[in-house]
Amino acid sequence: DTEVTQTPKHLVMGMTNKKSLKCEQHMGHRAMYWYKQKAKKPPELMFVYSYEKLSINESVPSRFSPECPNSSLLNLHLHALQPEDSALYLCASSHGGSPLHFGNGTRLTVT
Amino acid sequence: LAKTTQPISMDSYEGQEVNITCSHNNIATNDYITWYQQFPSQGPRFIIQGYKTKVTNEVASLFIPADRKSSTLSLPRVSLSDTAVYYCLVGPGGGATNKLIFGTGTLLAVQP
Repeated sequence: DTEVTQTPKHLVMGMTNKKSLKCEQHMGHRAMYWYKQKAKKPPELMFVYSYEKLSINESVPSRFSPECPNSSLLNLHLHALQPEDSALYLCASSHGGSPLHFGNGTRLTVT
Repeated sequence: LAKTTQPISMDSYEGQEVNITCSHNNIATNDYITWYQQFPSQGPRFIIQGYKTKVTNEVASLFIPADRKSSTLSLPRVSLSDTAVYYCLVGPGGGATNKLIFGTGTLLAVQP
């Protein structure tokens, strides 16, 4: 079990679809993260939110659009993705100097 | 940002102690060293964090020499379920503006 919940667990979408990934935590953490992980590779940082404001964008293409509607929720809106965007998308949260708490990810397949 | 270097893979047998070393030559004064474990199709899970000397918890120990340019994760008496990828991260803890970058990780394979 994890304290960071990600939905859906699996997602298949076409290149013209619009979909969203959701992440939720109720630990009172004020920093939330999106990572992307390809098979047999380490997680790659995409975005960091601090107190619901975007603080880091690691030059991610605009077809990925993050949103933090409140301190417990983090969304990743997807539009016009490419097959190479297929990966495991991981959400994490932290607060102060605490280690990251990760969800178990959404396995995304773009067809 | 401090870059980390770890062995790509390690093999061990059940019941043995496993030591995984991470090099981080340009670690900053305010950086902590954190280790995560990841099983296939799951998110990384926090194992242990330290700043200097030695830290021990119920699952592992972390040894950090005085110059802090490397660290060693020690897993006592591993079992088959410890087969996973282990990542060493260096950064100023979790936080709002911290780029916590994963290195390549070490795939530990535990055999019977």
